[in-house]
Amino acid sequence: AQSVAQPEDQVNVAEGNPLTVKCTYSVSGNPYLFWYVQYPNRGLQFLLKYITGDNLVKGSYGFEAEFNKSQTSFHLKKPSALVSDSALYFCAVRDVYNNNDMRFGAGTRLTVKP
Amino acid sequence: DTAVSQTPKYLVTQMGNDKSIKCEQNLGHDTMYWYKQDSKKFLKIMFSYNNKELIINETVPNRFSPKSPDKAHLNLHINSLELGDSAVYFCASSQRHRTGELFFGEGSRLTVL
Repeated sequence: AQSVAQPEDQVNVAEGNPLTVKCTYSVSGNPYLFWYVQYPNRGLQFLLKYITGDNLVKGSYGFEAEFNKSQTSFHLKKPSALVSDSALYFCAVRDVYNNNDMRFGAGTRLTVKP
Repeated sequence: DTAVSQTPKYLVTQMGNDKSIKCEQNLGHDTMYWYKQDSKKFLKIMFSYNNKELIINETVPNRFSPKSPDKAHLNLHINSLELGDSAVYFCASSQRHRTGELFFGEGSRLTVL
């Protein structure tokens, strides 16, 4: 099965600093990769996805992600963090060998401090 | 106008009871899902329905049964509730193709006492 891993449970950054939330993938063939954000007591919201094309993908709320095939990574980035970015972030992959399941990583809690 | 709506938002019940959670989407998507999020925030897919046909059935107990009256609705019925069923259950929808993202409801928090 296709899978993703998020190596960090928690990421802390200061407001105004750049942020990175890491994701690595294990996929046979072409990966279809996604990032979602979950605010407290809310459902997940889609941020961005990589299907094909440019390795740098831009998404909602100023987030972007870089697809790196050689490192099998799809890290989420933002040039300048906001306190309101504090949330739980999930990387996900479409498992094209299992009915196109959306399979999620364990999540990374991002805390942005003023 | 909520895209994916699920009810109830909170559900507190006793062990052994039967309960249902309803989900509706107005996005015109052809696939709907149920996910379970445990206390550690891990998301596990439970079921998906595509055009009223079950296409995923992970290793969930048969006490859980999805019911889809039409492609805009996917309800989750749970029999003989157990303590371990306490979790947040999310409904989601997408177009059934490889590149589509999921649209989630706000979740239903089930507490079994």
